[in-house]
Amino acid sequence: QVQLVQSGAEVKKPGASVKVSCKASGYTFTSYYMNWVRQAPGQGLEWMGIINPSSGSTSYAQKFQGRVTMTRDTSTSTVYMELSSLRSEDTAVFYCARHPPCPSGVCPEYFDYWGQGTLVTVSS
Amino acid sequence: DIVMTQSPDSLAVSLGERATINCKSSHSVLYYSNNKNSLAWYQQKPGQPPKLLIYWASTRESGVPDRFSGSGSGTDFTLTISSLQAEDVAVYYCQQYYNTPYTFGQGTKLEIK
Repeated sequence: QVQLVQSGAEVKKPGASVKVSCKASGYTFTSYYMNWVRQAPGQGLEWMGIINPSSGSTSYAQKFQGRVTMTRDTSTSTVYMELSSLRSEDTAVFYCARHPPCPSGVCPEYFDYWGQGTLVTVSS
Repeated sequence: DIVMTQSPDSLAVSLGERATINCKSSHSVLYYSNNKNSLAWYQQKPGQPPKLLIYWASTRESGVPDRFSGSGSGTDFTLTISSLQAEDVAVYYCQQYYNTPYTFGQGTKLEIK
């Protein structure tokens, strides 16, 4: 069965960076795009960006451009999201979320599987 | 960016009654190439990640009870729970995947009256 298992909670100081991992299993890692979604405490969902695990190509939301880096390691079926220059407003739960398969034609770009979430707390 | 606006922000419905949540997009999310609306609905319970309920505006995800249904086209969409169960208490989000950045509605909190 498909599983996305994320790394544990982090506490960081303002100005620092955080790197969150998402290990995939139960499917062919390189065949499905992976996204990162942020959710501040008590708030809604915010898309951060997407990575193609096969090529490593990425696309980021303009809001996070310059501060976010998404990478992957095909040998371990793991994607990573690194966010730099952290500020208190970055305190949130970060989710990895997979796109479903794209057999042909228009690719469905909703999120069919989600990781359990990683809480990142930014505090001095 | 496409702005998604849900209504109401919160909703209290009696057990067994119908619950209706609306979602409006600032731009049509209808793909002319396949004549489908790029609109999904998710359910999120406290401490859990969102769970996919509906995609292409009206296709129910495998395993989702048939009391959940989605409708609408273009810019106006609805999620309906035909007979509310206690386990349906959650926050519900719509999401457009017509283009990036993918955007979500602000969420609708559903409670039992």
